[in-house]
Amino acid sequence: TQLLEQSPQFLSIQEGENLTVYCNSSSVFSSLQWYRQEPGEGPVLLVTVVTGGEVKKLKRLTFQFGDARKDSSLHITAAQPGDTGLYLCRGSSNTGKLIFGQGTTLQVKP
Amino acid sequence: NAGVTQTPKFQVLKTGQSMTLQCAQDMNHEYMSWYRQDPGMGLRLIHYSVGAGITDQGEVPNGYNVSRSTTEDFPLRLLSAAPSQTSVYFCASSFSGGGGYGYTFGSGTRLTVV
Repeated sequence: TQLLEQSPQFLSIQEGENLTVYCNSSSVFSSLQWYRQEPGEGPVLLVTVVTGGEVKKLKRLTFQFGDARKDSSLHITAAQPGDTGLYLCRGSSNTGKLIFGQGTTLQVKP
Repeated sequence: NAGVTQTPKFQVLKTGQSMTLQCAQDMNHEYMSWYRQDPGMGLRLIHYSVGAGITDQGEVPNGYNVSRSTTEDFPLRLLSAAPSQTSVYFCASSFSGGGGYGYTFGSGTRLTVV
């Protein structure tokens, strides 16, 4: 069974701090996406990565896909309260199966 | 710019009642799906559709039915509600079911079965 494990599960930090969350699997994924979900809303797509070693930046967020396409990370620089939410990764296997990780809950305190 | 619209936003049902959760999208997406989100369980796929007239089961289909008569609509029916179906339900659509395409999610339906 393919699994996507996200770590940490919970993260509470002060405004201005940097953080990294991880999405790991023992399987290879053809693509991986990151979503952010705010309370009471559905997840919103942040980025899609498809190439091993790929790095994408979205303002203060940096996404990296591992060289072997088995893992990914999301780094936030100078976190702000507006970054608070649940961060979900979703992988697409080579057979087309789509899998969500369980998510990382981030709280950024002012 | 409606995107994916889910109704109702909240619902309380008694055990054994039936109901339909509505989902509509205006982006001409072929792929639509239903997920449930429970604490510690992440998002689990209930049913999905790759186009009008075509539906298939996901990871947790028992107790739910779907149909897809139009591209725009993908309702989810609870046949006989059970407390285990208490959850937040999300409808999502995509241009295609392929992994390179992102999902657009609705804002969810919070269902409580008592």
